[in-house]
Amino acid sequence: DGGITQSPKYLFRKEGQNVTLSCEQNLNHDAMYWYRQDPGQGLRLIYYSQIVNDFQKGDIAEGYSVSREKKESFPLTVTSAQKNPTAFYLCASSRASGTGELFFGEGSRLTVL
Amino acid sequence: AQSVTQLGSHVSVSEGALVLLRCNYSSSVPPYLFWYVQYPNQGLQLLLKYTTGATLVKGINGFEAEFKKSETSFHLTKPSAHMSDAAEYFCAVIHSGGYNKLIFGAGTRLAVHP
Repeated sequence: DGGITQSPKYLFRKEGQNVTLSCEQNLNHDAMYWYRQDPGQGLRLIYYSQIVNDFQKGDIAEGYSVSREKKESFPLTVTSAQKNPTAFYLCASSRASGTGELFFGEGSRLTVL
Repeated sequence: AQSVTQLGSHVSVSEGALVLLRCNYSSSVPPYLFWYVQYPNQGLQLLLKYTTGATLVKGINGFEAEFKKSETSFHLTKPSAHMSDAAEYFCAVIHSGGYNKLIFGAGTRLAVHP
């Protein structure tokens, strides 16, 4: 079945450590996205990529980095520069056309100890 | 700039009662509007969307929403709530930058009690 796989589902990190969240899709979608979800704040866009080897900052990119070396993969690194990294992170993908239908993974919950 | 306001962070209804979740938007361009649903510890799933054409949009699981330009609203309704409808619901609008960049509201958590 086609879909989006995020790993790990739960992750604990000590302050000052970088951590990388994996996102893989087999939907043959061109575009991929990372959102951060905090209680009562909805989803906020971190980074997005419309094509391989290209990505753009979203609304809250500070303290995060991404790469898009393959169409299927869009990993997110949460760096030590991110001041408040504890959150639920959601990866999504879509066709290139702007219809707004995103397909989401099941999320990764990061807790900084 | 686009924005979305969802009125009521928590809504509670009885099983069989009408579900009404409110969403108002602000957009400098003709909006594309969406409702997504999220079950606990899962990703989001598209319920329905409005792009152009008919203003009453039907989605999955018996939900529908009506685009009202004069009221800048896109409220979500379902005539009869089921226990399985308990989830968090997000209204969204496409960012003015286009493509599929969505701006989400803060979400409304729906509780359904017997």
